[in-house]
Amino acid sequence: KAGVTQTPRYLIKTRGQQVTLSCSPISGHRSVSWYQQTPGQGLQFLFEYFSETQRNKGNFPGRFSGRQFSNSRSEMNVSTLELGDSALYLCASSESGAGYTFGSGTRLTVV
Amino acid sequence: GQSLEQPSEVTAVEGAIVQINCTYQTSGFYGLSWYQQHDGGAPTFLSYNALDGLEETGRFSSFLSRSDSYGYLLLQELQMKDSASYFCALNNTNAGKSTFGDGTTLTVKP
Repeated sequence: KAGVTQTPRYLIKTRGQQVTLSCSPISGHRSVSWYQQTPGQGLQFLFEYFSETQRNKGNFPGRFSGRQFSNSRSEMNVSTLELGDSALYLCASSESGAGYTFGSGTRLTVV
Repeated sequence: GQSLEQPSEVTAVEGAIVQINCTYQTSGFYGLSWYQQHDGGAPTFLSYNALDGLEETGRFSSFLSRSDSYGYLLLQELQMKDSASYFCALNNTNAGKSTFGDGTTLTVKP
């Protein structure tokens, strides 16, 4: 079984721009979660989708949004990028919710 | 809200046993998970405790005590490749959301 695939792996953007990150979960997994990881803040929950519906959202501003498609692939979008958005963005998929399989992440650098 | 506390750093020698503790505060949760993350890599799921007690998976074991709001990850026969960060996480009763601890950096020395 293929793992969780995130694209792109690395991204450099300028302040004020917007960015879209993509995540393809493990086949058969309908739950997709997104996390932001920074050295100072650890792993912070962004949101989770299940069957195209957002079930849960973390404490992030409205500039962070996401969606899930009928094939369970998910995208997250960050608009009006700020320097503080520089982080590793991780996507995780799960079948049962007991344990998550993470992708390798997208490292976003905002300059 | 939820919060988890774990030591920031632990050092041990190859072949030894190490225990990484995790205490938490929450009003409710489904279970406690553990993840390993090597530098530059993605977190990898290690273990999950839904019920009190010990779960064993090879050299790794995890324990949960709901009455004590406490869990731990036990690593036996430490190897150099076990040097990594280890995170405990609460599987929230809100489906699909996990709250992670800040992670424990384990350094295994020869």
